[in-house]
Amino acid sequence: LAKTTQPISMDSYEGQEVNITCSHNNIATNDYITWYQQFPSQGPRFIIQGYKTKVTNEVASLFIPADRKSSTLSLPRVSLSDTAVYYCLVGEIRSQGNLIFGKGTKLSVKP
Amino acid sequence: DGGITQSPKYLFRKEGQNVTLSCEQNLNHDAMYWYRQDPGQGLRLIYYSQIVNDFQKGDIAEGYSVSREKKESFPLTVTSAQKNPTAFYLCASSMGTGITYEQYFGPGTRLTVT
Repeated sequence: LAKTTQPISMDSYEGQEVNITCSHNNIATNDYITWYQQFPSQGPRFIIQGYKTKVTNEVASLFIPADRKSSTLSLPRVSLSDTAVYYCLVGEIRSQGNLIFGKGTKLSVKP
Repeated sequence: DGGITQSPKYLFRKEGQNVTLSCEQNLNHDAMYWYRQDPGQGLRLIYYSQIVNDFQKGDIAEGYSVSREKKESFPLTVTSAQKNPTAFYLCASSMGTGITYEQYFGPGTRLTVT
């Protein structure tokens, strides 16, 4: 399993764009990159997933460079409700259940 | 509404007692999981099940047991052998195993053992 490294915490203000970068130097050819969001005392929820280049949905964008050794989750115009922990996961399509949720990045959005 | 339910939300037990946490899903998902989360930490996988009547140990299975007799249900028993059982327990399900299958999480059960 590819190990991921992401900042422990980040601060931002409402209305700003936030970019959270995850490093995964040992990513394998069959690995995908997935991001989850977790609010306090709740279970995580899926945000976005990608393999290469750029993926965008109604919540976020995911940028993956050609070497795939890192990825950046981009949250446009954050609000107070985006305050949460964001987890970067890397794993194979058919890995047998052992996804690794590290400590994640705690994003604090201030007014 | 489709989803995952966990009960109870808060659970208190005395040390030395076994306790069973409930997890039910009506998403028709084949795979189910149990995670443990300690304050300020990520999630750690306890057990997972890919199909009925089959389950596998995760990273921290010692002191826990599970069963999967029905597709919808995946109860977790925290036994007295678990040395530090106080934690936030999360159940999840997905259509299959592997990172491309989105995991849907329940609201969690916060267990306190004194």
